[in-house]
Amino acid sequence: QVQLQESGPGLVKPSQTLSLTCTVSGDSISSGSYYWSWIRQPAGKRPEWIGRIYISGTTDYNPSLKSRVAMSIDASKNQFYLNLTSVTAADTATYYCARVTYSSSVLYRDWGRGILVTVSS
Amino acid sequence: SSELTQDPAVSVALGQTIRITCQGDSLRNYYASWYQQRPGQAPTPVIYNRNNRPSGIPARFSGSSSGTTATLTITGAQAEDEADYYCASRDNTGGHLEVFGPGTTVTIL
Repeated sequence: QVQLQESGPGLVKPSQTLSLTCTVSGDSISSGSYYWSWIRQPAGKRPEWIGRIYISGTTDYNPSLKSRVAMSIDASKNQFYLNLTSVTAADTATYYCARVTYSSSVLYRDWGRGILVTVSS
Repeated sequence: SSELTQDPAVSVALGQTIRITCQGDSLRNYYASWYQQRPGQAPTPVIYNRNNRPSGIPARFSGSSSGTTATLTITGAQAEDEADYYCASRDNTGGHLEVFGPGTTVTIL
């Protein structure tokens, strides 16, 4: 059974860069069967799709965040990554990584437990 | 517009049927997927591809779709179904985008 685990700092200062790692176990990230996504959810609000990455390195980002987001992937470590630059308090949220498939609908099939990231000085 | 809308809340008695709707233009081209989220937990998929259930999801969960509206139905609601429910879809009209609805809070009386 696949498991995803987010890791990174829980506190980031305003204007700095938020960097998170998602470690995948129980499945090879390079199998090519899935996309790998980052999703965030401010407390009490809906989830927000941040972006996705494929094993080839191809990425798509939410236009509202595109200028500040970068994702990368390391198949040798079975990990993928999120960098979000110039953070503000509005970026405070629980950040999830997810394994995703696409057919007639998008399916966020498996999720990590999430990591709360607070932006504060 | 890629925005999805949902009713904020619904309450039903134990054993009754719950219907949660999700509306959005993107649903003309793609089916919604549905997610259950209990407090303090990550969302869990319950329906995808109109009416497919991931392994382990009870058969009381079903989905349907017509035009720009997707519906999640819980037939014979149980106490453990009390949660927030989000729909999600993708929209390729202006490049790749994925969106979630605002969520529906389900209360079992």
